[in-house]
Amino acid sequence: DVKVTQSSRYLVKRTGEKVFLECVQDMDHENMFWYRQDPGLGLRLIYFSYDVKMKEKGDIPEGYSVSREKKERFSLILESASTNQTSMYLCASSIGSLETQYFGPGTRLLVL
Amino acid sequence: QQQVKQSPQSLIVQKGGISIINCAYENTAFDYFPWYQQFPGKGPALLIAIRPDVSEKKEGRFTISFNKSAKQFSLHIMDSQPGDSATYFCAATLYNFNKFYFGSGTKLNVKP
Repeated sequence: DVKVTQSSRYLVKRTGEKVFLECVQDMDHENMFWYRQDPGLGLRLIYFSYDVKMKEKGDIPEGYSVSREKKERFSLILESASTNQTSMYLCASSIGSLETQYFGPGTRLLVL
Repeated sequence: QQQVKQSPQSLIVQKGGISIINCAYENTAFDYFPWYQQFPGKGPALLIAIRPDVSEKKEGRFTISFNKSAKQFSLHIMDSQPGDSATYFCAATLYNFNKFYFGSGTKLNVKP
């Protein structure tokens, strides 16, 4: 079974803090994704990566950056957290395009 | 601009009834249409998917109906059960392209 794990289930941070969200997949997948999920807006793509050190912006990259130094690990970084970044963050991986995306359980982030 | 529009936002169905969730898309180049199911506290998981060369795909109680000319597709859950209560997301993507465009989600509640 594919397993995608996220470092935290819940996080509470202060405005202006630097926040790291970590994601690890154990199936040697090429592609990894970061989404945020908000009520009524569905899943919106923040960034994705199709190879180590490669990244592409999704639909809402502002205020975020990513890092993929190893194939199995994809990190989302909030350089200076703001209250409008309070959300559920979901990481996913897939073996290739048009393939199933496997999601982690999500990290619920609250920025105060 | 939302690439995939999903309705309804929420749905209440009696046990044994049929649940129907609809999605519409604009980009005629989309050629892969998955549905994801998300239980509370979990990440979304692939439920069923269809390619536009067929008009219907059935897996157990779950059926996708696809209308290419109308640019619409829908999920039908026959004999709905309380265990089907979850949030459902439709999505669309392009061949050889890693981005999935998700609908806004439908929260289904199946009453016993």
